[in-house]
Amino acid sequence: NAGVTQTPKFRVLKTGQSMTLLCAQDMNHEYMYWYRQDPGMGLRLIHYSVGEGTTAKGEVPDGYNVSRLKKQNFLLGLESAAPSQTSVYFCASTIQVPVHEQFFGPGTRLTVL
Amino acid sequence: DQQVKQNSPSLSVQEGRISILNCDYTNSMFDYFLWYKKYPAEGPTFLISISSIKDKNEDGRFTVFLNKSAKHLSLHIVPSQPGDSAVYFCAAMNNAGNMLTFGGGTRLMVKP
Repeated sequence: NAGVTQTPKFRVLKTGQSMTLLCAQDMNHEYMYWYRQDPGMGLRLIHYSVGEGTTAKGEVPDGYNVSRLKKQNFLLGLESAAPSQTSVYFCASTIQVPVHEQFFGPGTRLTVL
Repeated sequence: DQQVKQNSPSLSVQEGRISILNCDYTNSMFDYFLWYKKYPAEGPTFLISISSIKDKNEDGRFTVFLNKSAKHLSLHIVPSQPGDSAVYFCAAMNNAGNMLTFGGGTRLMVKP
């Protein structure tokens, strides 16, 4: 039981490049979330999904797209990376709402030059 | 505008003493609160939570207090241990119960 895993762990992009971050969970959780963590800003919600085939915007969705084609996977895409998207990205999942606990992945450190 | 605020970016305490981490919120509709702990290069892990119908919840060395009228919660760690050194985030659940809003975090350093 791996819990929540994220791929890749590190990535460096040039401005304008695109990439996809993959989140996978093996806990059969319905709800999945993408956050970014910046110094002093805590964790800010980018997008989330309440089930396979559904997505919704969070607090800071601009510049990102997501897809949830399979229940266990939640993908975060950057179509044209900008230096402002340099951050640590965390994926999380939870089995039900109300959310009494979220389970987090180890994070992806992204640098955009 | 941050709805959940942790005004102390860092806190240093001596091993064996009490650590008190504070969190304030502005949205009176929040009715469930959580604390997460985060070590470097790892994802946050759940620590303790409290429902708005309670004013205290205790789990071993960790106690969370909630003051609804002041929109304030605090996490007490007694006694503090060097292994408690980490970043602590408070979080509040939204009305629909499907999202958490996090504070900016407090870095706790427990000195041996």
